Amino acid sequence: EADIYQTPRYLVIGTGKKITLECSQTMGHDKMYWYQQDPGMELHLIHYSYGVNSTEKGDLSSESTVSRIRTEHFPLTLESARPSHTSQYLCASSVTDFVNTEAFFGQGTRLTVV
Amino acid sequence: KNQVEQSPQSLIILEGKNCTLQCNYTVSPFSNLRWYKQDTGRGPVSLTIMTFSENTKSNGRYTATLDADTKQSSLHITASQLSDSASYICVVSDRGSTLGRLYFGRGTQLTVWP
Repeated sequence: EADIYQTPRYLVIGTGKKITLECSQTMGHDKMYWYQQDPGMELHLIHYSYGVNSTEKGDLSSESTVSRIRTEHFPLTLESARPSHTSQYLCASSVTDFVNTEAFFGQGTRLTVV
Repeated sequence: KNQVEQSPQSLIILEGKNCTLQCNYTVSPFSNLRWYKQDTGRGPVSLTIMTFSENTKSNGRYTATLDADTKQSSLHITASQLSDSASYICVVSDRGSTLGRLYFGRGTQLTVWP
């Protein structure tokens, strides 16, 4: 069982609210990622981090922001949620070399904006 | 354009039967290919990882094959069980960046009936 945790698992929130999705890992991994996945669709990378104070945008444009103040913590924030943000958000982590080592995924946060 | 295509999109089989899932990719330069299993509402879990020089790899009832020349991979599941019902995602990594960019297929939704 991977030691990467996401909270909350499910969230229903009204339009315009600010939300933060939490992601924590206890494996000491330096690389962390946020993916967005709609039902039946592939995962899209929206943010990643190589380490503390390092954050980059991924392939899919997202209005969300991330921070990496501590190695183990990689929260994602939406300042003003909209219905178009409804999706599943998956957090992942890996050691330095993502190429040859496994990425561990959290269980995801299912976000619904009404 | 780097892409990963999976087929079939969905598959229903009876418990105890075998099945084969397909993955074609155009990712270049190729680094490795992973098959993940994603249960509904959960994060993906790695089943196998294959590098350029590997042709086949097994993990219990799961056997993955790779033909790097034709850029095709398959995942064979033997003696299927009800717990095999899930989405199976083919993920290809390139080696053209520090990140080891991952390209995700849309997955094959497998349903095993009793």
